[in-house]
Order: sequence, then structure tokens, then C-alpha cells
Amino acid sequence: DSGVTQTPKHLITATGQRVTLRCSPRSGDLSVYWYQQSLDQGLQFLIQYYNGEERAKGNILERFSAQQFPDLHSELNLSSLELGDSALYFCASSVGTAFTEAFFGQGTRLTVV
Amino acid sequence: KNQVEQSPQSLIILEGKNCTLQCNYTVSPFSNLRWYKQDTGRGPVSLTIMTFSENTKSNGRYTATLDADTKQSSLHITASQLSDSASYICVVSSPNDYKLSFGAGTTVTVRA
Repeated sequence: DSGVTQTPKHLITATGQRVTLRCSPRSGDLSVYWYQQSLDQGLQFLIQYYNGEERAKGNILERFSAQQFPDLHSELNLSSLELGDSALYFCASSVGTAFTEAFFGQGTRLTVV
Repeated sequence: KNQVEQSPQSLIILEGKNCTLQCNYTVSPFSNLRWYKQDTGRGPVSLTIMTFSENTKSNGRYTATLDADTKQSSLHITASQLSDSASYICVVSSPNDYKLSFGAGTTVTVRA
């Protein structure tokens, strides 16, 4: 158990809908990272938050947004969902701003039908 | 073009045998290189992390090497076990970890 908690584990929704994925980082970790992993694809970095502020942005679509709350948990919001958004979404956390020893959660499997 | 290329894409080995996975990168400047193991449907788990000055690092039956001059790394699995069946991902970062580049991974299948 990495200490990073993601909910829900599975999510099935229809095209055009909006969903929210939640991530609770390890105790003491201030950084949260979000990644998308489509079928047979490598991990794609979406966005990083550090202590409530956006720190780095990757290939995140405009339909997607994220935030980190004062209690350091983070949410990834996906809207106007398309079939191609079906993927595993991983959250990782680390103590500082560096990814040095980030720990990954178990992921949320999103299926858009 | 991906700045981290892994090979082979997949491989099958018999239990007890050794295998070597390759990672070539073009990321520059370079800070460190990590190997992760990802079981199907699970989150990646860190195996090793190497900085510019490190050539070899071991974690049990896993040994990673790094040649920063040629921008190549390898992950050697010794005496493979069925539990080694997973995807192995190479991740290269630039200074301050501001930019991370992920390889597509090598899928290893160990058969009895």
C-alpha cells in the first residue's frame, strides 16, 4: 500500500457527462500529480499541484481541470467526456516539488460508453 | 517523438531465466532516471532511481545501469519469478523534476 488513496476505483459514465476523481496523498506529501494511461499507452502527465497551487502542466485537455484543497487532497474534473477519455487515471504524491520518490495510487479506471 | 524509447516492447521468458530491458533517452538536460514496475491495473512502483553520477543500482534481483554519455539505461532481471510479470517503465527527468518523460514500457511475461 503506497499510502496514496484514489476514489472511485472504477467509474462508468456516458459520453458528454462530467466526473470527478479524487486523490488523497500520503500523509506529509505536499505535491500531487495526475497521470492518464490509455490502453497500451504509456503514462501521460496531466498536471501537478504543490501545496494548493498549480506547479506544472502537461498534456491536459481544456475539458479537464484539477485543484488541490487546503487539506491537500486533489480532485481531477473531466467534463464533456468522449469515448477516447476512457483510461486509467493515476495520482501520485511526493513530499516536495520534486518527483524524486513519488508514490502512485492504485488508479481510477474510467470507462466512457 | 517520445524522448524516452524502451525496447523490446514485450518479451516472454521462462521462470528462472534472466532478461535485460533497454531504455534510450534524449532528454536534456538530464537529472535522474527511474525504473518502475507496474502490475496490470495497478499503480507503478519505484524500483530504482539513478542520478548522473551513478552507473549501477540494485534492488534485489533487479539491477539498473546507466550510461549518461550515451544516454542509455538497462534493467536486468535475474532469476525471474512469475511475480516479475509486469510492465517496466523508464522515466527520465530534467533538473528540478520540472519535466518528466515516460517510456511506453516493456511488458514482461514470465512463464513456468
